[in-house]
Amino acid sequence: GAGVSQSPSNKVTEKGKDVELRCDPISGHTALYWYRQSLGQGLEFLIYFQGNSAPDKSGLPSDRFSAERTGGSVSTLTIQRTQQEDSAVYLCASSLRDRAYEQYFGPGTRLTVT
Amino acid sequence: SQKIEQNSEALNIQEGKTATLTCNYTNYSPAYLQWYRQDPGRGPVFLLLIRENEKEKRKERLKVTFDTTLKQSLFHITASQPADSATYLCALEVLSGGYNKLIFGAGTRLAVHP
Repeated sequence: GAGVSQSPSNKVTEKGKDVELRCDPISGHTALYWYRQSLGQGLEFLIYFQGNSAPDKSGLPSDRFSAERTGGSVSTLTIQRTQQEDSAVYLCASSLRDRAYEQYFGPGTRLTVT
Repeated sequence: SQKIEQNSEALNIQEGKTATLTCNYTNYSPAYLQWYRQDPGRGPVFLLLIRENEKEKRKERLKVTFDTTLKQSLFHITASQPADSATYLCALEVLSGGYNKLIFGAGTRLAVHP
């Protein structure tokens, strides 16, 4: 069956531009997560969705970052006025439930801010 | 402060030997602990989950232990193969705002040599 997909796979943008990253979770998975991974680092939690609501946005690094999820499915992570320190791989994951259950990850979007 | 520590240095072993990776944590009380494998350019893939009241879990050539007194998990790969070469991430499930958040370590890179 189809796994988690993300687009684009790579994005190069100029400092100050806005970017949108997309995540298509596995059908039927109500929990969706965004993480950020810098080179050689672990996964940094950004935001958690249960259905269309986001009960945990505590990992968003600044108000330039926002995310939404529509129809309990597709999610978009938006970064406004990108900065060089935003360069990283952005990973999306989904799971059937949010406790004692594995997360399925997409391949990630590599964002480079020049 | 809260920390998850995995050996940041790569682990190099000979094919056929047992690889043992360590995950230590401080100031967390996880209900579950998960291990993931991550290959370059890809998202993490779930391997095993162990509960706080389980001492050991096995799956094929993989074995995980979880010692909540020592605050440590060990991840073993027996009869290792070059195809096992990857980065291995441990992740604690901690209750946060009504759901279980996954907190990831930075990972340990394993290289299995023929």
